[in-house]
Amino acid sequence: GNSVTQMEGPVTLSEEAFLTINCTYTATGYPSLFWYVQYPGEGLQLLLKATKADDKGSNKGFEATYRKETTSFHLEKGSVQVSDSAVYFCALSEAGGSEKLVFGKGTKLTVNP
Amino acid sequence: SQTIHQWPATLVQPVGSPLSLECTVEGTSNPNLYWYRQAAGRGLQLLFYSVGIGQISSEVPQNLSASRPQDRQFILSSKKLLLSDSGFYLCAWSLSVPDTQYFGPGTRLTVL
Repeated sequence: GNSVTQMEGPVTLSEEAFLTINCTYTATGYPSLFWYVQYPGEGLQLLLKATKADDKGSNKGFEATYRKETTSFHLEKGSVQVSDSAVYFCALSEAGGSEKLVFGKGTKLTVNP
Repeated sequence: SQTIHQWPATLVQPVGSPLSLECTVEGTSNPNLYWYRQAAGRGLQLLFYSVGIGQISSEVPQNLSASRPQDRQFILSSKKLLLSDSGFYLCAWSLSVPDTQYFGPGTRLTVL
């Protein structure tokens, strides 16, 4: 079945450091790919998405590129802030009419001042 | 604009008691609706989804059930809670398939 694997956390960085959170997927067909963010005590918010190969999603300084050849969708940010501390989830939307999202286990990011 | 509400925000219940969590969506029609559970230290587990009134698909066999009595209302229930039902319950909606899902603020359930 379809699955998403993302790097285990927690990740701890200093403010202004470069961030990469790796995400790879296994899927049949051509899924859409998403990054969601969950701030402490809150629900998930969509951070960015890409719907086809080579698309780049971007939002709030975060970027991720849909790489079909490596089945990856790594999340990057050039300079993190304390306010970026959260749990980040990579997800794919199964193609072929399914309504489901398949999520990775999440990566907790802590940014220290 | 669309908004999604969940209540209650937090709930502490004894083992064996019933449960009813409610989710409502405003500002859209005929959404797909989803219930997820996020247990401590785990990822998100899809419990139920619904593509229309009275249409419920279950992903994981358990002592929970879901109902959709109205177009924009989704209810998660249990007749007898277990300790393992503790977690953070999230409701979400989407308009089309495949499409972005939008999440509510969640309900934190503690079963003692």
